[in-house]
Amino acid sequence: KNQVEQSPQSLIILEGKNCTLQCNYTVSPFSNLRWYKQDTGRGPVSLTIMTFSENTKSNGRYTATLDADTKQSSLHITASQLSDSASYICVVSAVNQAGTALIFGKGTTLSVSS
Amino acid sequence: DAGITQSPRHKVTETGTPVTLRCHQTENHRYMYWYRQDPGHGLRLIHYSYGVKDTDKGEVSDGYSVSRSKTEDFLLTLESATSSQTSVYFCAISEGSQTDTQYFGPGTRLTVL
Repeated sequence: KNQVEQSPQSLIILEGKNCTLQCNYTVSPFSNLRWYKQDTGRGPVSLTIMTFSENTKSNGRYTATLDADTKQSSLHITASQLSDSASYICVVSAVNQAGTALIFGKGTTLSVSS
Repeated sequence: DAGITQSPRHKVTETGTPVTLRCHQTENHRYMYWYRQDPGHGLRLIHYSYGVKDTDKGEVSDGYSVSRSKTEDFLLTLESATSSQTSVYFCAISEGSQTDTQYFGPGTRLTVL
């Protein structure tokens, strides 16, 4: 069964600190992996996308990594800011002859405090 | 927000009544989606459309129907709302395929009493 598991479920850090969010997946056949940021009361916004051959992708202070062998991805946030407080959702795409499936993780809720 | 609006933004209704949510885009994207988001479940796909009058079911389609008569509009209908359909509903669009980046609307909070 295709699944995406994210950890931790929630996280609290001090402003200025770094943090890493994890995404483990059992999705086949793998097409790509995206990280979305969802601010409270708003729709998700795409941060990064990685295909099978990509190991690292950066978007400002956000850096995503992908290990296709172990089926793990991480999202590293550097020098956190209060505006980073949000839910971060990992989404894995699978494409085969039957069609396309997007498998969503349940998200990690990050709270950045001053 | 990439040219996507949802209406209404908030709605309270009673069990058994019909409800229609509207998604409107100005991006001329081919694909449109309806998701629901509930605590502990994350985002779940209800229905999606890959063109005018072309729709398909997602993982939680029971109790919902959709219609797309124009490229820019995608309607989600709850024929007879139930309390289990209390949720936040998000519309999303993508340009060419389901694996393309999806752009989400602001959401509609629906409460069924």
